[in-house]
Amino acid sequence: DAMVIQNPRYQVTQFGKPVTLSCSQTLNHNVMYWYQQKSSQAPKLLFHYYDKDFNNEADTPDNFQSRRPNTSFCFLDIRSPGLGDAAMYLCATSRGLSSGSISYEQYFGPGTRLTVT
Amino acid sequence: GQSLEQPSEVTAVEGAIVQINCTYQTSGFYGLSWYQQHDGGAPTFLSYNALDGLEETGRFSSFLSRSDSYGYLLLQELQMKDSASYFCAPNQGGKLIFGQGTELSVKP
Repeated sequence: DAMVIQNPRYQVTQFGKPVTLSCSQTLNHNVMYWYQQKSSQAPKLLFHYYDKDFNNEADTPDNFQSRRPNTSFCFLDIRSPGLGDAAMYLCATSRGLSSGSISYEQYFGPGTRLTVT
Repeated sequence: GQSLEQPSEVTAVEGAIVQINCTYQTSGFYGLSWYQQHDGGAPTFLSYNALDGLEETGRFSSFLSRSDSYGYLLLQELQMKDSASYFCAPNQGGKLIFGQGTELSVKP
């Protein structure tokens, strides 16, 4: 089955220690997103890639960066995690359309729950 | 600025009908999406309205009025498995801005 995979499902890191979260997809979608979701809150978009074009949200902290080496993989790097970065991190994909726009339907992975100690 | 409002929680009984309202104020509006998220799970797509009117998908329907910046999700024949959080999310050209979510509890 085509899907969005996130590894690991649970990640524990120490305050200030860099951490990388991974996402892969077998849907062959052009667009990949990273969201942060804190407990009982809405998912908050951090950034997205349309193919190799990176789009950062204005309020995404500089502490968060992303890499997309190829269509299938996308990584979220947190350079110096703070206690406030503990959250569920969700990866999602969507189809880019021939018009250059993006399909409205997003497919989410199961998420990585990050704990910062 | 941008704003989204939906009720924080709704309780209903099995077999009932429930409506979750969403009002929004956002720039670059393409349409309104609805997502379901079970506790600890990933959001899953339910419905989308690009145009005014009602979209029906099985037990779930969604409505949009662009002129009123308003939409709703209608869930019929409620089942226990429908207990989850429901998010409205205006589509800004492929970017979703999620509302705070409505936690639906379905009681026997």
